[in-house]
Amino acid sequence: GAVVSQHPSRVICKSGTSVKIECRSLDFQATTMFWYRQFPKQSLMLMATSNEGSKATYEQGVEKDKFLINHASLTLSTLTVTSAHPEDSSFYICSAKDPRRGTQYFGPGTRLLVL
Amino acid sequence: SQKIEQNSEALNIQEGKTATLTCNYTNYSPAYLQWYRQDPGRGPVFLLLIRENEKEKRKERLKVTFDTTLKQSLFHITASQPADSATYLCALDNTGNQFYFGTGTSLTVIP
Repeated sequence: GAVVSQHPSRVICKSGTSVKIECRSLDFQATTMFWYRQFPKQSLMLMATSNEGSKATYEQGVEKDKFLINHASLTLSTLTVTSAHPEDSSFYICSAKDPRRGTQYFGPGTRLLVL
Repeated sequence: SQKIEQNSEALNIQEGKTATLTCNYTNYSPAYLQWYRQDPGRGPVFLLLIRENEKEKRKERLKVTFDTTLKQSLFHITASQPADSATYLCALDNTGNQFYFGTGTSLTVIP
């Protein structure tokens, strides 16, 4: 069964609004979770590393004020796309690293469409 | 610069044959390497992990090799089936929290 869940799976919003995406680790406690973005027919691009109880580490070129990450517990990380614009439309995927095995397990992804 | 390349964007093979996908990297020293399968509109699904001190790993019809001298991993699917058609991604883990994906190879198994 699913090890990592994401919610919502699909969201359509108006330009200027904020959207929150939740990522939950179901099978293990994840001190580290990751957020990726994927454009059609392209590979996953790491946006940020989310650490439980501390600030997220953002990859170069990713605006931390635009993409707010909160890792409030060992099983939940949230990504908020603030003041979304059409160019933010993409497939957002989270993952959680299983500390016992070193494997990353991915959520099913969230399709965001900003009109 | 750091780079992870996977062979040809698309690979077509006949059902029953062995599919071989490659993952080459430069300027990384990964502690381990992972292979994932991704279907359209879905998140990647973990398949196999191989550590730097392991030469080969198998799981059912899947086999992965890891050559740290050549900086290459090979991913084999034996007795391929149409249901194996998907995009396959390799990912390198430098230990800690650095995890980078290759460009992906789209595999189509023709009945």
